[in-house]
Amino acid sequence: DAGITQSPRHKVTETGTPVTLRCHQTENHRYMYWYRQDPGHGLRLIHYSYGVKDTDKGEVSDGYSVSRSKTEDFLLTLESATSSQTSVYFCAISEGQLDEQYFGPGTRLTVT
Amino acid sequence: TQLLEQSPQFLSIQEGENLTVYCNSSSVFSSLQWYRQEPGEGPVLLVTVVTGGEVKKLKRLTFQFGDARKDSSLHITAAQPGDTGLYLCAGGGYNAGNMLTFGGGTRLMVKP
Repeated sequence: DAGITQSPRHKVTETGTPVTLRCHQTENHRYMYWYRQDPGHGLRLIHYSYGVKDTDKGEVSDGYSVSRSKTEDFLLTLESATSSQTSVYFCAISEGQLDEQYFGPGTRLTVT
Repeated sequence: TQLLEQSPQFLSIQEGENLTVYCNSSSVFSSLQWYRQEPGEGPVLLVTVVTGGEVKKLKRLTFQFGDARKDSSLHITAAQPGDTGLYLCAGGGYNAGNMLTFGGGTRLMVKP
């Protein structure tokens, strides 16, 4: 299995609080992604990174920011969480842009 | 409207039945991937198809890429309870953009 971990695995937070999710890889893959998964929507790309300090927006980036200061770590931050951000968040990695993606185990976030 | 439309969204069948899941788009892809996701886990790649008209078999699963590279199908023969899960298609390249885009998924339940 690809070495991808996500932390925390579960989190409950209140509306308006900041939240940071962490993705850590041991595969030295160039690309890292953050997705959210909601019923009926499949996986929607939030942000992705193509190298250290190189990031770009995805389909549903509003309300989210990311940072990648090291190859192995990709952080997703919700500056002020809202109930609409309740979701399951997946991190993924790949060697190339259209290559197979390897997914982490997911983080279930509930914003009350 | 999603770039990739999957149908049906839900499918509940008895063990031993055959089924087909479809992934359709108006965009042309350079490649199309199929993933399976089990509850509580991240998606895992099943197959990648890259040539128009290509057929790939993985035991009881048959994957086909449309001649025009706009659609794909997954056929399962003699489904088993272990096939239960969420099936996701993902495409990218050509006029579909430089990032993988995921369909909404087909949730399959195979009852013993």
